Amino acid sequence: QKEVEQDPGPLSVPEGAIVSLNCTYSNSAFQYFMWYRQYSRKGPELLMYTYSSGNKEDGRFTAQVDKSSKYISLFIRDSQPSDSATYLCAMTTGTASKLTFGTGTRLQVTL
Amino acid sequence: NAGVTQTPKFQVLKTGQSMTLQCAQDMNHNSMYWYRQDPGMGLRLIYYSASEGTTDKGEVPNGYNVSRLNKREFSLRLESAAPSQTSVYFCASPAGGEQYFGPGTRLTVT
Repeated sequence: QKEVEQDPGPLSVPEGAIVSLNCTYSNSAFQYFMWYRQYSRKGPELLMYTYSSGNKEDGRFTAQVDKSSKYISLFIRDSQPSDSATYLCAMTTGTASKLTFGTGTRLQVTL
Repeated sequence: NAGVTQTPKFQVLKTGQSMTLQCAQDMNHNSMYWYRQDPGMGLRLIYYSASEGTTDKGEVPNGYNVSRLNKREFSLRLESAAPSQTSVYFCASPAGGEQYFGPGTRLTVT
């Protein structure tokens, strides 16, 4: 069993929809949780960064961490075609420690 | 400030050939990482360097060697390429928990 599980998709939604992307994990020592966005043929770029449990909002994006359930989510409101990308979750036990990545979910937002 | 740069962008090798992937960062970070990304497998760590002069194996080091030439540069070498090494290779440099990625090298081994 992988340490981090993520549904690979693809997920196709119409423009304006609310998107929910999720990861589950098994290592209770993970403390820092990240979402990366990767456009086709590009390197991943950090989208959201949260520490421990709770919610963090940045514009149309909300990251949610539930450590008791070992479950993290990324919500995208009012989705746009420019949001079409692969979204990778990542987590680590400490800021100086290596990241463990999910396999990524491919999202397509259609007009 | 270019961040993390990688060369080449694309490469095709025949089985048994060797090559070196180059990575450089201008952010004065201590750590540098090499990942490979394959469909359905996500990003897997090949080797990393926590500081100049040190290197350590990651999750999938077999078939690769690395050199931390100085604080800026971290190269990945394939001594005898195999088709299983067909992948997209990313160099990254972390700071404060965030990983800054390069644009990637697409390698095909035939």
